[in-house]
Amino acid sequence: AQSVTQLGSHVSVSEGALVLLRCNYSSSVPPYLFWYVQYPNQGLQLLLKYTSAATLVKGINGFEAEFKKSETSFHLTKPSAHMSDAAEYFCAVSDYTGANSKLTFGKGITLSVRP
Amino acid sequence: DADVTQTPRNRITKTGKRIMLECSQTKGHDRMYWYRQDPGLGLRLIYYSFDVKDINKGEISDGYSVSRQAQAKFSLSLESAIPNQTALYFCATSDSGGRGHFGELFFGEGSRLTVL
Repeated sequence: AQSVTQLGSHVSVSEGALVLLRCNYSSSVPPYLFWYVQYPNQGLQLLLKYTSAATLVKGINGFEAEFKKSETSFHLTKPSAHMSDAAEYFCAVSDYTGANSKLTFGKGITLSVRP
Repeated sequence: DADVTQTPRNRITKTGKRIMLECSQTKGHDRMYWYRQDPGLGLRLIYYSFDVKDINKGEISDGYSVSRQAQAKFSLSLESAIPNQTALYFCATSDSGGRGHFGELFFGEGSRLTVL
């Protein structure tokens, strides 16, 4: 079974500051990891995914995440926050083995960006 | 047009009423899912279907039922709605496998249900 832990429920940064959203995972199989973003009144959309290729993954809107097996982490970063980054962010892990894959989500982190 | 369409987008109903949320997709995916989102709890899986003849319970299926009418359609029913089923519901789809598939989900825009 797999699980995801996102510590804290809310992160606030100033515009232009570094964004760091933490995600730790637990998985009994090599994991596939995802970050999704949910803007207000919208569904979730994929930011980036780790699929066992490069450990540093680049996504949309300047976000990236690094897979660290030794730390069981997949933290999301962006060097300089923009007001439009304000949203809820979900980390997720897949137990995909080609048969009965399912995605398990963390509880989400709300990112606020101060002017 | 959206690849994954949910109807209705908003619904207010009363305790005890039967409610159906519908989902249709044009992505050609075999797999469809219903999730529930509550503040502070993230997304929790209600039911999922890997093809038209396959229905599986998720972690919170009590009080819900589903129907997979066709590859492109997957509906969620609340037979007798109760207030703690007030939530935002999401339908999602994924491919069944093959090159480039790692369990990624594609979401609809959500159906907000309020049970009074």
